[in-house]
Amino acid sequence: GNSVTQMEGPVTLSEEAFLTINCTYTATGYPSLFWYVQYPGEGLQLLLKATKADDKGSNKGFEATYRKETTSFHLEKGSVQVSDSAVYFCALPRGATNKLIFGTGTLLAVQP
Amino acid sequence: NAGVMQNPRHLVRRRGQEARLRCSPMKGHSHVYWYRQLPEEGLKFMVYLQKENIIDESGMPKERFSAEFPKEGPSILRIQQVVRGDSAAYFCASSPERQGNEKLFFGSGTQLSVL
Repeated sequence: GNSVTQMEGPVTLSEEAFLTINCTYTATGYPSLFWYVQYPGEGLQLLLKATKADDKGSNKGFEATYRKETTSFHLEKGSVQVSDSAVYFCALPRGATNKLIFGTGTLLAVQP
Repeated sequence: NAGVMQNPRHLVRRRGQEARLRCSPMKGHSHVYWYRQLPEEGLKFMVYLQKENIIDESGMPKERFSAEFPKEGPSILRIQQVVRGDSAAYFCASSPERQGNEKLFFGSGTQLSVL
């Protein structure tokens, strides 16, 4: 079945540093891929998504490219801010439903 | 338009007690999903409900756990005779339709601690 493996955290960066959070997946076919973000004290929010191979999802300066060859969907941002401190989850659907399979989450802490 | 509301935010129970977790979906959403996040693990799907119907409970433990989404009122996740292993964060999500993951909205979760 579908699964996702996510880079373990925590990741601690200084402001304006470059961020990469790795995510690889195993799936039947080519499902949509998602990154969700959970800010402290809040629920998960959809950050970005990609619906097919070679698609690039982007939002709030974050990007992730759906790479079929490497079965990866790594999250990147060129210059992180303190306000980006949160837990980031990679996810994909289980079949054609809203049942999502999540990675374990990566805690990002950005220091001023 | 308020988001998905879950309460309580934190719930402490002693072993053997019952835990009731509530989820009010976003206005206009008739599909509710419950997920559980155990320590050091990702969120795991538990159950999917529409108004008055359980559609998929393949992720629910076979005993002690139940869920409902009545015609009126919030969705309830009930855990009877809680054990320490039930300690986790429980998240609810809602959507206006069956498919379309970009329309899935999550609540802030209920942190259940079993003493």
